[in-house]
Amino acid sequence: ELKVEQNPLFLSMQEGKNYTIYCNYSTTSDRLYWYRQDPGKSLESLFVLLSNGAVKQEGRLMASLDTKARLSTLHITAAVHDLSATYFCAVGTSGSRLTFGEGTQLTVNP
Amino acid sequence: SQTIHQWPATLVQPVGSPLSLECTVEGTSNPNLYWYRQAAGRGLQLLFYSIGIDQISSEVPQNLSASRPQDRQFILSSKKLLLSDSGFYLCAWAQTGVVLHFGNGTRLTVT
Repeated sequence: ELKVEQNPLFLSMQEGKNYTIYCNYSTTSDRLYWYRQDPGKSLESLFVLLSNGAVKQEGRLMASLDTKARLSTLHITAAVHDLSATYFCAVGTSGSRLTFGEGTQLTVNP
Repeated sequence: SQTIHQWPATLVQPVGSPLSLECTVEGTSNPNLYWYRQAAGRGLQLLFYSIGIDQISSEVPQNLSASRPQDRQFILSSKKLLLSDSGFYLCAWAQTGVVLHFGNGTRLTVT
């Protein structure tokens, strides 16, 4: 059974600081996704990583994938309040199914 | 462009009542369709997924069922709701191997 573990589950940080969210998964996969969820809202796709060594950046967020280590990271640079949300990683398996991590609840304080 | 519609947005139902949640996708054909449930604002649990009409896989044995009467329509149902069925239900679509796109969700409260 595929397991996807995120850490930390809760993250409180100050504006302007940098931090990394980690996503480990237990079986081989070549598809890793990052989603953002605002309170009470649906999920918004941030990144799709499809190969070992893939790196994607959008604004203050950068995601990377190491398929050999079964690890993806979401790096936050110079955090701002608007980044406050819950971030999910998800791993693709057969049949186009995704298994989600528990999510990291990020709060950026002024 | 593709869009996904999910309704209703919120629902309050008594224990033992039936349930029907509907999801439709526009602008694409033969999508993969999914129902996820999110409890207490945390991780998502895959309930059902479908790769075509009348091709539905159930991930977790439970009090729910799903049907796909048309190519771009996916319905989640229950004959008798339980308190534990409360949660945030999300429909999603994807073309094979690409990004999952989510609907706006239905917040179900069973009382």
